[in-house]
Amino acid sequence: EAQVTQNPRYLITVTGKKLTVTCSQNMNHEYMSWYRQDPGLGLRQIYYSMNVEVTDKGDVPEGYKVSRKEKRNFPLILESPSPNQTSLYFCASSPYRSGEKLFFGSGTQLSVL
Amino acid sequence: TQLLEQSPQFLSIQEGENLTVYCNSSSVFSSLQWYRQEPGEGPVLLVTVVTGGEVKKLKRLTFQFGDARKDSSLHITAAQPGDTGLYLCAGLPSGAGSYQLTFGKGTKLSVIP
Repeated sequence: EAQVTQNPRYLITVTGKKLTVTCSQNMNHEYMSWYRQDPGLGLRQIYYSMNVEVTDKGDVPEGYKVSRKEKRNFPLILESPSPNQTSLYFCASSPYRSGEKLFFGSGTQLSVL
Repeated sequence: TQLLEQSPQFLSIQEGENLTVYCNSSSVFSSLQWYRQEPGEGPVLLVTVVTGGEVKKLKRLTFQFGDARKDSSLHITAAQPGDTGLYLCAGLPSGAGSYQLTFGKGTKLSVIP
């Protein structure tokens, strides 16, 4: 089954404790992206990648890192999480370099205390 | 980042009623997509429209792209409880090198049995 898999689904952590949210897709898509979704603010793009070893900042990249060492994986790293990074995070992939027609994962609800 | 304004923000209707959701911008988009997101899940792509004036139908859902490619609408006929969810429009800005899909903040639809 074609899918984007994120882990974990839920995560509670404390300020400053490094964490990684994993994302994997099995559709051989070149384009992958991370979004955060907050009430009243909608979906905002954090980082995107159009190919292996190519990543670019989205609208809200501060406090986040990503890497794209393999085509299928696109982890999101929070080196020193802060409470304002409490949010619902989505990984997505697309068969188009433009990032259209996204396939989304099921989301990761992160709480930073 | 190009802005996409969705209206209404919230909509609660009885089963069997018709409704229209709007997505407007002052910017031109090369394509516009509609997604539906159910609680606890990631958005799922419903349709993509690319030509000004284009109309696409998906069962009881009718999508229209404005002539100037700055706006779109989603019309649902005889709404069912299964239509309940968050409807998001997303546009790819017109112009070379556009790799960032812009999302509206969504319309939360509740269909009451």
